[in-house]
Amino acid sequence: GAGVSQSPSNKVTEKGKDVELRCDPISGHTALYWYRQSLGQGLEFLIYFQGNSAPDKSGLPSDRFSAERTGGSVSTLTIQRTQQEDSAVYLCASSFGRGPYEQYFGPGTRLTVT
Amino acid sequence: GQQVMQIPQYQHVQEGEDFTTYCNSSTTLSNIQWYKQRPGGHPVFLIQLVKSGEVKKQKRLTFQFGEAKKNSSLHITATQTTDVGTYFCAGEGAGSYQLTFGKGTKLSVIP
Repeated sequence: GAGVSQSPSNKVTEKGKDVELRCDPISGHTALYWYRQSLGQGLEFLIYFQGNSAPDKSGLPSDRFSAERTGGSVSTLTIQRTQQEDSAVYLCASSFGRGPYEQYFGPGTRLTVT
Repeated sequence: GQQVMQIPQYQHVQEGEDFTTYCNSSTTLSNIQWYKQRPGGHPVFLIQLVKSGEVKKQKRLTFQFGEAKKNSSLHITATQTTDVGTYFCAGEGAGSYQLTFGKGTKLSVIP
């Protein structure tokens, strides 16, 4: 595709429900990143994939958060038993590979937990 | 862990004035990148600096990487309303998998 796509663009869920956020990276990009951005704040790193492997999961805030990537392409970020503090914009980015490559960001998924 | 501090957090300028944002890392960086996020948008890559003391220019924007590769700056000359947004620096530490983003500087330009 032309760029990184994410779905859904907006998600409103009730506290305690599980949500899945999807990211389609740019074709051929082996590195994929998930970030969280709270209102007016910077980007909080969540997880990094190289291919289907996640060598760095250090940013996942709790065991309610998990992510996977299949076929070296699509990635899914799952949040179980959502809490109100999970409300944020979840951004996905991809890059050509590990190293000094620019990251291309998707439009994000705005998650609101009520 | 690696920390990247960015100042100021906010900057309001009159159109035509200059603007500078500064970025400091707690550790030596292998490279630093700058991104711009327009209101309601997502971060967009501006530039990458790799070499110690490197200076790069993009029209009215000047980017510098410090000699010790621990700090960087972005300077905009004669700001325009199209410059409005949040500017983030992001540093990659040696052997690291990830970019550590600063909290950003939100620029407002008063016409």
